[in-house]
Amino acid sequence: GAGVSQSPRYKVAKRGQDVALRCDPISGHVSLFWYQQALGQGPEFLTYFQNEAQLDKSGLPSDRFFAERPEGSVSTLKIQRTQQEDSAVYLCASSLAMNSNQPQHFGDGTRLSIL
Amino acid sequence: GENVEQHPSTLSVQEGDSAVIKCTYSDSASNYFPWYKQELGKRPQLIIDIRSNVGEKKDQRIAVTLNKTAKHFSLHITETQPEDSAVYFCAAINNAGNMLTFGGGTRLMVKP
Repeated sequence: GAGVSQSPRYKVAKRGQDVALRCDPISGHVSLFWYQQALGQGPEFLTYFQNEAQLDKSGLPSDRFFAERPEGSVSTLKIQRTQQEDSAVYLCASSLAMNSNQPQHFGDGTRLSIL
Repeated sequence: GENVEQHPSTLSVQEGDSAVIKCTYSDSASNYFPWYKQELGKRPQLIIDIRSNVGEKKDQRIAVTLNKTAKHFSLHITETQPEDSAVYFCAAINNAGNMLTFGGGTRLMVKP
């Protein structure tokens, strides 16, 4: 496909369960970003990869959040022992180059609901 | 870190009128400013961006202006159409050059 692909589109989990969210970036894109978007708000940065290296994870809200991109392409965001405040849309974005000023292209996101 | 403020939070215009959305940023080292359009339940879609070495950029009915001295930038939509109705987000790249910091969004409603 031509765009960033995320799965699943919707995820419902009970509090305390672990979840895994997947992102397939645009082919050849070096940089990959995860953002969290609460209802009615702008996306907020979680973490950033350049190829397989996680260069910035300053936005991850707690040590329950973990992200990886082992082969420099697909990325997974894992949330352990989910809590109700984790409910949000999780957006993935990718960009072509390593340097700044490059457009970030977003996927449709995963809407996570914690019951 | 970077802080981006956006206003208004809601904007209602008549079809054919112009719409202007304004943003301010705090980090003088920020150098890339994209605008995204997000329809309900869909991805943020990049509609226009501007880099700090220019003051204005235009693409058909959409234009963005940047005032680096005042640290503010604006989105201008002319001849609005009902399909322009969406939430618009401004953003800025921080001085480390990776993550986007978003404004709070503007819900634009274009009445036919």
